[in-house]
Amino acid sequence: KAGVTQTPRYLIKTRGQQVTLSCSPISGHRSVSWYQQTPGQGLQFLFEYFSETQRNKGNFPGRFSGRQFSNSRSEMNVSTLELGDSALYLCASSFTETEQYFGPGTRLTVT
Amino acid sequence: AQSVTQPDIHITVSEGASLELRCNYSYGATPYLFWYVQSPGQGLQLLLKYFSGDTLVQGIKGFEAEFKRSQSSFNLRKPSVHWSDAAEYFCAVGRSMDSSYKLIFGSGTRLLVRP
Repeated sequence: KAGVTQTPRYLIKTRGQQVTLSCSPISGHRSVSWYQQTPGQGLQFLFEYFSETQRNKGNFPGRFSGRQFSNSRSEMNVSTLELGDSALYLCASSFTETEQYFGPGTRLTVT
Repeated sequence: AQSVTQPDIHITVSEGASLELRCNYSYGATPYLFWYVQSPGQGLQLLLKYFSGDTLVQGIKGFEAEFKRSQSSFNLRKPSVHWSDAAEYFCAVGRSMDSSYKLIFGSGTRLLVRP
């Protein structure tokens, strides 16, 4: 099976812009989770989607949002970008509740 | 609150030497425990997991980990390190809440391997 794919892999944006990141889970996986990784804060949970419903959200401002489509693909959106949003954004998919498989991530740089 | 502590930010070992990376967790119930590895510029790869049963679990790439409930620890070990093991290692605990599930990660340990 193909692994989790994320597009784009690298992105450079300017403060105030918005950005959309995409994640395609492993075939058959219905749960998709998003994490933000920064040198200062480490790996932090953003949100989790299952069957097109957001089931859980981490402690991030409302500028961070996401959605999941009927084919389980997911997108996350960050509006009004700030310098502190520069990070590696990781997507993980799972079939069972417990085991998550991660994609290669999208490296977002905000200038 | 649930938390995961990896007390060692960096560890340097010589190639061929044994390795132990420490992980302590704080969690009310019996946790789901994981070790992931991240190479530079890459995502996270699952090395091994513990859900229940035998407290010594085997993973990929020759890694193993031992769950010790009394010490709230889940240390990762490898008997002989290879240069390709240089990477960052993350311990994580899985937490279920309100029919959702998320991973709580430690801050990571960067492994350097001396030739």
